[in-house]
Amino acid sequence: GAVVSQHPSWVICKSGTSVKIECRSLDFQATTMFWYRQFPKQSLMLMATSNEGSKATYEQGVEKDKFLINHASLTLSTLTVTSAHPEDSSFYICSARDLGRTNTGELFFGEGSRLTVL
Amino acid sequence: DAKTTQPPSMDCAEGRAANLPCNHSTISGNEYVYWYRQIHSQGPQYIIHGLKNNETNEMASLIITEDRKSSTLILPHATLRDTAVYYCIVRGNQAGTALIFGKGTTLSVSS
Repeated sequence: GAVVSQHPSWVICKSGTSVKIECRSLDFQATTMFWYRQFPKQSLMLMATSNEGSKATYEQGVEKDKFLINHASLTLSTLTVTSAHPEDSSFYICSARDLGRTNTGELFFGEGSRLTVL
Repeated sequence: DAKTTQPPSMDCAEGRAANLPCNHSTISGNEYVYWYRQIHSQGPQYIIHGLKNNETNEMASLIITEDRKSSTLILPHATLRDTAVYYCIVRGNQAGTALIFGKGTTLSVSS
């Protein structure tokens, strides 16, 4: 199946620093990617929709200046958590759809990136 | 997108079939039923999806009722590695539409 890769898989940072997470579609092009976060024992929450060549669309309650999304190419979207604080510690997951392979909407997900802010 | 209702947890013995139900009584005509699962600390994994007809692939079977208001995911021979949270999601197939996750069903497979 289509492969979506995230990097890093885990990261620990100090409070106040910024962290960048990359999401790549390895064998297909993705004009749209989605970013989710997941807190322990909870379900995935959609944060934003990343659109290649244009601004991301953020869900209600997600600060766009806090979570910077850049989708500069058809295979790469990045999420930067700026001035991270302990409450930003979470599991961040991206997903994308391979439009060239299917027209029935299934999304493929990355392995996730676990952020711990000390 | 239509909401779905799933039992919070289910148990299954290894080697037996696991039947996971999902209610989606407000599904509309152009919405598909998708099933994903998430093994602990991993990203969700696509399992199967369908519109009207029953579907089968190498991982599972999907049975959709004739009125499309409910469906059942069947894992024919559950293994310990099938222990995961299973999500039933209903949505259209528009290109820019994300999947919205509910709480899912935690399936525990034991030996």
